[in-house]
Amino acid sequence: KQEVTQIPAALSVPEGENLVLNCSFTDSAIYNLQWFRQDPGKGLTSLLLIQSSQREQTSGRLNASLDKSSGRSTLYIAASQPGDSATYLCAADGQGGSEKLVFGKGTKLTVNP
Amino acid sequence: NAGVTQTPKFQVLKTGQSMTLQCAQDMNHEYMSWYRQDPGMGLRLIHYSVGAGITDQGEVPNGYNVSRSTTEDFPLRLLSAAPSQTSVYFCASRKGTRNTGELFFGEGSRLTVL
Repeated sequence: KQEVTQIPAALSVPEGENLVLNCSFTDSAIYNLQWFRQDPGKGLTSLLLIQSSQREQTSGRLNASLDKSSGRSTLYIAASQPGDSATYLCAADGQGGSEKLVFGKGTKLTVNP
Repeated sequence: NAGVTQTPKFQVLKTGQSMTLQCAQDMNHEYMSWYRQDPGMGLRLIHYSVGAGITDQGEVPNGYNVSRSTTEDFPLRLLSAAPSQTSVYFCASRKGTRNTGELFFGEGSRLTVL
């Protein structure tokens, strides 16, 4: 069974700091891995999708990497801002690359002014 | 530019009542799914569909029913509500059926079962 773990569960940083969020998964037979952002009381917003043939994707100040062999993905946020405060979740395919996406429990990020 | 639309946003039910959570998308996405989100448990897949007429169970399907008669709509039915079904429910859709597209979420439906 695919398991997705995100560490740490919560992170507090001062504004301007560069930071890394971690996501690990147990079954490397995935088609892609996706990072999301969730604001309180809201739905999830897709940030980056990394296909299995890619090693990284970039969007603005965000960079996500994927290492299938080690079962890890990282989300790098450059020059963090208070508006980046949210919960960040990653999701990977189910066991054997099934359609049943499995989510991590998220990392709650607080960026202090 | 509606995207994924869920109704209602809030609902209170009594134990044993039934109801349907509606989900509609206007992006012509083949794949649609329902998740529930609970504190400490994260997002868990209830049911999903890879196209009209095709549905399958996710991780926590018991007590829920789905159907997919059109590409646009994927309603979730609670047959006999229980307090354990108190949760926030999210509908999500994506283009394609082999995990090649971004997943788009609705705003969620908050359900309380008394």
